[in-house]
Amino acid sequence: GQNIDQPTEMTATEGAIVQINCTYQTSGFNGLFWYQQHAGEAPTFLSYNVLDGLEEKGRFSSFLSRSKGYSYLLLKELQMKDSASYLCAVRDRDYKLSFGAGTTVTVRA
Amino acid sequence: IAGITQAPTSQILAAGRRMTLRCTQDMRHNAMYWYRQDLGLGLRLIHYSNTAGTTGKGEVPDGYSVSRANTDDFPLTLASAVPSQTSVYFCASSEVAGATDTQYFGPGTRLTVL
Repeated sequence: GQNIDQPTEMTATEGAIVQINCTYQTSGFNGLFWYQQHAGEAPTFLSYNVLDGLEEKGRFSSFLSRSKGYSYLLLKELQMKDSASYLCAVRDRDYKLSFGAGTTVTVRA
Repeated sequence: IAGITQAPTSQILAAGRRMTLRCTQDMRHNAMYWYRQDLGLGLRLIHYSNTAGTTGKGEVPDGYSVSRANTDDFPLTLASAVPSQTSVYFCASSEVAGATDTQYFGPGTRLTVL
């Protein structure tokens, strides 16, 4: 099974950078996903890592260290619309996802 | 517009009643999933289907059943609803259950069991 931990809440100022950490313990690792979920809406895909290193997509980057069971999502140049929950999800060898409880990010002006 | 639809959007149900949540996708994705989302617990997989005609149990399958008669539809049935099944239910699909495929989520059904 999977044990996935991420902080419950984070607050940052518009234009700043925020890093959301995710640690996991897994019986079989086959990729890590980050999703964004605005209140009352469905999760939407942000990023995917299966090899160690940094994946960059515009203002969002995601990092993975498989040996440490660790990932982070980096949000740069924060905008008000980035206020949302960010979900870390680990995929197992059967291609099923297990999700962390999510980190609620509040961006303040 | 292609995507996943779920019905109903929300429902209040008396305990003991039977309820089917509907999910339809028009992307011709092979794999489909049902999750429930509860505050503080995140998304938990209920059942999944890797291809039409097959289904499997997820993390929290008790009290739920699914069927996959064709590629597009993946209904979730609560045979006799209980208050602990109050939750937001999301259906998702992916092109194939593997590789770098991404799961896409429907808009969700908010279910309250009284």
